[in-house]
Amino acid sequence: EVVLTQSPGTLSLSPGERATLSCGASQGVSGNHLAWFQQRPGQAPRLIIYDAYNRATGIPDRFSGSGSGTVFSLTISRLEPEDFAVYYCGQSADLPFTFGPGTRVDI
Amino acid sequence: QVQIQQWGAGLLRPSQTLSLTCGVYGESFSIYYWNWIRQTPGKGLEWIAEINHGGGTKYNPSLKSRVTISVDTSKKQFSLKLSSVTAADTAVYYCPVFYPSGGFLTDSWGQGTQVTVSS
Repeated sequence: EVVLTQSPGTLSLSPGERATLSCGASQGVSGNHLAWFQQRPGQAPRLIIYDAYNRATGIPDRFSGSGSGTVFSLTISRLEPEDFAVYYCGQSADLPFTFGPGTRVDI
Repeated sequence: QVQIQQWGAGLLRPSQTLSLTCGVYGESFSIYYWNWIRQTPGKGLEWIAEINHGGGTKYNPSLKSRVTISVDTSKKQFSLKLSSVTAADTAVYYCPVFYPSGGFLTDSWGQGTQVTVSS
């Protein structure tokens, strides 16, 4: 199975700052079928980015994804108060679909 | 706007069968990927299974022998059955659906169901 790792575990930033989150895969993610999800406290996760760099419907353009193969990243250009949450990467290239452990973005 | 409502028993005894259903309300879609995902504080997010608009299914190999997923398009409902549950199956269960909208992919999630397995 594809094991995903995320770094850092926690990112402490202020509104208006730039956040860069990393996701590493134990083997290449074919087709770059790598997604990013946001989960706010008490809520279900929400799709932010799919296929490495495509923003999901309705996601603001301050969110961007990049990477390929085994190294991916999510960038939030200017943090808004509602962006403070946990972010998970997930791959759907190989069975079983797997998720990383998450990066918490804290104020 | 698509809304997902999920329901099912939240407290089970070991060896029982977990049964959860999700209903879709709002706009319809012809292309979709229904998934079941569970979450625990210790293991994080774990994918269980997927069924798509063509009836194709995919399963997590570690759970496949115990999982049955189905969709009733006439009722716009999607169901999960997980047999022979143990304490290790205690988790919050979600039923996200992924579908194209406005030229992009989007998702809708149920509210989550806390399932506890305890004797």
